[in-house]
Amino acid sequence: GAVVSQHPSWVICKSGTSVKIECRSLDFQATTMFWYRQFPKQSLMLMATSNEGSKATYEQGVEKDKFLINHASLTLSTLTVTSAHPEDSSFYICSASGLLGKQPQHFGDGTRLSIL
Amino acid sequence: AQSVAQPEDQVNVAEGNPLTVKCTYSVSGNPYLFWYVQYPNRGLQFLLKYITGDNLVKGSYGFEAEFNKSQTSFHLKKPSALVSDSALYFCAVRDEGGAGRRALTFGSGTRLQVQP
Repeated sequence: GAVVSQHPSWVICKSGTSVKIECRSLDFQATTMFWYRQFPKQSLMLMATSNEGSKATYEQGVEKDKFLINHASLTLSTLTVTSAHPEDSSFYICSASGLLGKQPQHFGDGTRLSIL
Repeated sequence: AQSVAQPEDQVNVAEGNPLTVKCTYSVSGNPYLFWYVQYPNRGLQFLLKYITGDNLVKGSYGFEAEFNKSQTSFHLKKPSALVSDSALYFCAVRDEGGAGRRALTFGSGTRLQVQP
């Protein structure tokens, strides 16, 4: 089946650091990628929708200057958490979707971000 | 607007017994329905989907789900539970519009605990 690779899987860094998370679709062209945040024992919260070659659409309450998303190719999207603080610590998950809505979204394995 | 309800935070079942994880949805048009499973510190794995056709859909690992339009439900089932089925299960929905560019809406998740 389709594979989405997310890297890194775990990041621990100091407050004020910027962290980049990569999401790659390995065997299909992802016209759309989604970025989610998951708090412990909670569901996935959609942060933004990223279409290849255009600006990401952010959900209400998500700071676009804080969470920079780039989707420059059909196989790669990146999420950069700028000047991260402890409250940004969370589990971030990307998913990728092809053009056909009938196909399921395929998820990366997530990135556990811990800000000290 | 679309929404998903998973009324049970946790379902406990003995190994070998049948299991059901409940899901109801609300969507403006025809629904695309999905079930995903999440293991600790991992992304979501696709189990099965309903787009059109037979109301009973079969998916991975022996799971199946029944689409009931009148009750707007899409309950996940398995005839005989395994200890290895213990995980967090998410139901998700999107309407048929927007092709692959529309994000899924997830339920709050149900933790399945299968006792040996």
